[in-house]
Amino acid sequence: GQQLNQSPQSMFIQEGEDVSMNCTSSSIFNTWLWYKQDPGEGPVLLIALYKAGELTSNGRLTAQFGITRKDSFLNISASIPSDVGIYFCAGETNQAGTALIFGKGTTLSVSS
Amino acid sequence: DARVTQTPRHKVTEMGQEVTMRCQPILGHNTVFWYRQTMMQGLELLAYFRNRAPLDDSGMPKDRFSAEMPDATLATLKIQPSEPRDSAVYFCASGLALGAQYFGPGTRLLVL
Repeated sequence: GQQLNQSPQSMFIQEGEDVSMNCTSSSIFNTWLWYKQDPGEGPVLLIALYKAGELTSNGRLTAQFGITRKDSFLNISASIPSDVGIYFCAGETNQAGTALIFGKGTTLSVSS
Repeated sequence: DARVTQTPRHKVTEMGQEVTMRCQPILGHNTVFWYRQTMMQGLELLAYFRNRAPLDDSGMPKDRFSAEMPDATLATLKIQPSEPRDSAVYFCASGLALGAQYFGPGTRLLVL
């Protein structure tokens, strides 16, 4: 079946540092989504990407839809303590009857 | 501020008891998903509905789990009988046919 490989699995950084994480797949996706999950809460949508090559920002977050449609990355600039959480990528193939495929998540820890 | 709501937020029960979880999707969303999240398995898709019709429930243990949408504003997930291995966080998400899904806060289930 389709799988998303999300890396790194975890990151420990200092406040103020930039962060980069990515997702790759052997399958082509038509939509890439990035979510953040805080402890005790549900995943919250950060950025949605719908076109190959698309680069979208949301505040300090920037995500790109890979040109091959098989990968996506998320960058966080100037990290702050509230960036702590689990970040998930998700891809959709646009085939009828399919749902999102989720990565395993990247756990981000930020020390001040 | 449209949100997916889930009840209960927490549930502790004994093995063998029936558990019912409820979800109210965002008004206007025609697709509803049920996920289970555990430390070991991450986010697993259990079932999803489009226009209230079940599209895929292959991720759900059929002998004890059932999912329904009695109407467009209510989705239910039932476990009968519950087992300790069912302990997890259960998320409902809603969206349109393709694209972003919006998650509820989850139901934290503990089966003793």
